[in-house]
Amino acid sequence: AQSVSQHNHHVILSEAASLELGCNYSYGGTVNLFWYVQYPGQHLQLLLKYFSGDPLVKGIKGFEAEFIKSKFSFNLRKPSVQWSDTAEYFCAVNRIGGFQKLVFGTGTRLLVSP
Amino acid sequence: DVKVTQSSRYLVKRTGEKVFLECVQDMDHENMFWYRQDPGLGLRLIYFSYDVKMKEKGDIPEGYSVSREKKERFSLILESASTNQTSMYLCASSRTGSRQGSNQPQHFGDGTRLSIL
Repeated sequence: AQSVSQHNHHVILSEAASLELGCNYSYGGTVNLFWYVQYPGQHLQLLLKYFSGDPLVKGIKGFEAEFIKSKFSFNLRKPSVQWSDTAEYFCAVNRIGGFQKLVFGTGTRLLVSP
Repeated sequence: DVKVTQSSRYLVKRTGEKVFLECVQDMDHENMFWYRQDPGLGLRLIYFSYDVKMKEKGDIPEGYSVSREKKERFSLILESASTNQTSMYLCASSRTGSRQGSNQPQHFGDGTRLSIL
């Protein structure tokens, strides 16, 4: 079955620490990749997306992600986190030709302590 | 800015009741989706629709049905609510873009936290 794995379920960091959240998927074909963020009490928002081209994509609020096709990975990074980055982060994947049927990972809860 | 509005933030219903969750989007998007979000399970797709009166089953359609009579509105129906349907329900919408519609981001509502007693 198609799946998306986020190995870190809970991450706790201090402000200014660097962040990397892992995401791996199990599709063999061409995919579109997304990271969404859900701040406490808010709706899911798109953080960044990859469709094609440069495998290093930049999103909002200083986040970036790198698509490594050989590793089926799309890890999210931020060099220096802030308290306001406390949120739940979801990786999502859909296949080209798979309409818009997104498959989400189980999410990673990030807590940034001031 | 895209606005996806879900009719209720919190809802409490009883086992066996028929429950309606409503979602409206204001951006003329072709596609609409219903997910449920549970701790440790992420988001799971219940149903989606790519056009008026069209619907497709997602990954967990059992116990649910949907209705899309107008482009802007997508309703989720719990035919006979059960306690295992207690969850956060999220509605989303998106435009149909290129690459067979798969490269457009989905825009989410604030969610409805449904409790079935």
